[in-house]
Amino acid sequence: TQLLEQSPQFLSIQEGENLTVYCNSSSVFSSLQWYRQEPGEGPVLLVTVVTGGEVKKLKRLTFQFGDARKDSSLHITAAQPGDTGLYLCAGVIDKIIFGKGTRLHILP
Amino acid sequence: KAGVTQTPRYLIKTRGQQVTLSCSPISGHRSVSWYQQTPGQGLQFLFEYFSETQRNKGNFPGRFSGRQFSNSRSEMNVSTLELGDSALYLCASTTRLGGAGELFFGEGSRLTVL
Repeated sequence: TQLLEQSPQFLSIQEGENLTVYCNSSSVFSSLQWYRQEPGEGPVLLVTVVTGGEVKKLKRLTFQFGDARKDSSLHITAAQPGDTGLYLCAGVIDKIIFGKGTRLHILP
Repeated sequence: KAGVTQTPRYLIKTRGQQVTLSCSPISGHRSVSWYQQTPGQGLQFLFEYFSETQRNKGNFPGRFSGRQFSNSRSEMNVSTLELGDSALYLCASTTRLGGAGELFFGEGSRLTVL
């Protein structure tokens, strides 16, 4: 059973456009993490959000944790080809469980 | 500081064989988790070891097992391989038990079962 649903599964957009990726669950998490994975490598942590309603910014990336700590979103402003990759959300309960990911491709 | 090292990086096995994968965590990290990654199911949690004890287990059959040594290095074993076991197996280490901190991943071991 996949506890974390990510949408969309695939996204291909032009450089300079904005996009939002969603991560939803019926479970409450103590915290939620976002990772990015590039081909041939393991996932790398981008951010951890802990408090319901929390918003964190990492340059052009904005992460939000839902008020009920069941969902999260990742918004990218003015996407660049370097943002291409697999974005994974991960919910923390007594272990870390991952969504299936959003594969993002930014066209130059 | 050296990262998480997984060996081998690639391997090919046939159905019915068994395989052992190795993971050396970052120095000082006592927790090692294993994940199976496939295009259809994404990253699925296999198990977590901390101080040589399995602390958490995912929903995988008993053919999947692991262990951790006193130096925190970990191995996972898959017996009686099936075609569906073809996947990227990722190991991650962290300082604390139960997902309380950042997971540092290795590059993975890509297993192909023929």
